[in-house]
Amino acid sequence: DTEVTQTPKHLVMGMTNKKSLKCEQHMGHRAMYWYKQKAKKPPELMFVYSYEKLSINESVPSRFSPECPNSSLLNLHLHALQPEDSALYLCASSQSLYREMYNSPLHFGNGTRLTVT
Amino acid sequence: GENVEQHPSTLSVQEGDSAVIKCTYSDSASNYFPWYKQELGKGPQLIIDIRSNVGEKKDQRIAVTLNKTAKHFSLHITETQPEDSAVYFCAANMNTGNQFYFGTGTSLTVIP
Repeated sequence: DTEVTQTPKHLVMGMTNKKSLKCEQHMGHRAMYWYKQKAKKPPELMFVYSYEKLSINESVPSRFSPECPNSSLLNLHLHALQPEDSALYLCASSQSLYREMYNSPLHFGNGTRLTVT
Repeated sequence: GENVEQHPSTLSVQEGDSAVIKCTYSDSASNYFPWYKQELGKGPQLIIDIRSNVGEKKDQRIAVTLNKTAKHFSLHITETQPEDSAVYFCAANMNTGNQFYFGTGTSLTVIP
């Protein structure tokens, strides 16, 4: 089993709904990530948090809003999504970002399968 | 072109045979290369990784080789089993933070 826990596992939402995805890790990692994965494609980076501060936003539309309440938790708030936003949303963590050229693996959760109707 | 190219995109082998997946990267600053296995309905899981100061690393039936001069690295799975069936992604780190270039994935099927 993965050490990164994501809830819910599945989510179906309408385009006018507001929902949130949750992620939790207890490995003491200080970097947390949101990735989006379409079928048969590699994960695409959305956001990176380092020490609870947003450090990278890969030009993600504002209908996706990340939040890092503490070092163990990461949320992704969803509002007014489009059908093309349907995908597997993966949370990951790693030890930290603060090295010149980092080499620490990402630890992924099992994702939330999101369907926007 | 792609920062990491991965081949083949699909691979079918008989149980007990070997499987090899190859990746080529373009960023000469990359020095860390993890491999992930993604089973259906699950997230990618790290199976092996290699750093640029070594040329080969082995863990039971899985091995990874790295040729820094040619910017190639490969995953080798020996004595394949049906539970090895999954999508495999190679990755190479970027020169900024802890970000990665991912390969396009290889769907491996092991036929019993």
